[in-house]
Amino acid sequence: NAGVTQTPKFQVLKTGQSMTLQCAQDMNHNSMYWYRQDPGMGLRLIYYSASEGTTDKGEVPNGYNVSRLNKREFSLRLESAAPSQTSVYFCASSEKGASYEQYFGPGTRLTVT
Amino acid sequence: EDKVVQSPLSLVVHEGDTVTLNCSYEVTNFRSLLWYKQEKKAPTFLFMLTSSGIEKKSGRLSSILDKKELSSILNITATQTGDSAIYLCAVVVGAQKLVFGQGTRLTINP
Repeated sequence: NAGVTQTPKFQVLKTGQSMTLQCAQDMNHNSMYWYRQDPGMGLRLIYYSASEGTTDKGEVPNGYNVSRLNKREFSLRLESAAPSQTSVYFCASSEKGASYEQYFGPGTRLTVT
Repeated sequence: EDKVVQSPLSLVVHEGDTVTLNCSYEVTNFRSLLWYKQEKKAPTFLFMLTSSGIEKKSGRLSSILDKKELSSILNITATQTGDSAIYLCAVVVGAQKLVFGQGTRLTINP
């Protein structure tokens, strides 16, 4: 089992460009999450999907959109990247929700210039 | 606003020392508290604590929750260089929501 996979691992964007971060899990988990991690701020929840077909905002959703394509895949889109979105992005999944262990992907390091 | 605060933010000790990491929280709807270890990349799960006063142990690591004091500690005894990492505390505040602390960066020198 690969667990949680993310692509790409690194990305550099210019301000205003768009991109989609891909995430997939092979553990048959219902819940999936997108976090960003900035120095000194821990992990902050951007969006989550409790189950296939549902998505909801987390703590810092502005500037992002998500799609839960199917049970396995949960993508994060930046429509018009800004320097403030420079961060490391982690996707995670859990069996049924936040009270269950979350499994994290390896992260995507995004730089917006 | 839900808040989780960890201390210290950074700690450097010698191999063999014992360390105590702290996590305090101020949230409206506490469900449980989790500890994660983050080495180079993805955080990995260590413990989940739901009941006050019950210690969870895994080898040299142990953790306890104090619901009265709204806090938790993570102890690591006989530290090794492989324990060097960022330790993250997170509180479950809803069916799908975790609030993370800033993390404690622990460095173990040989």
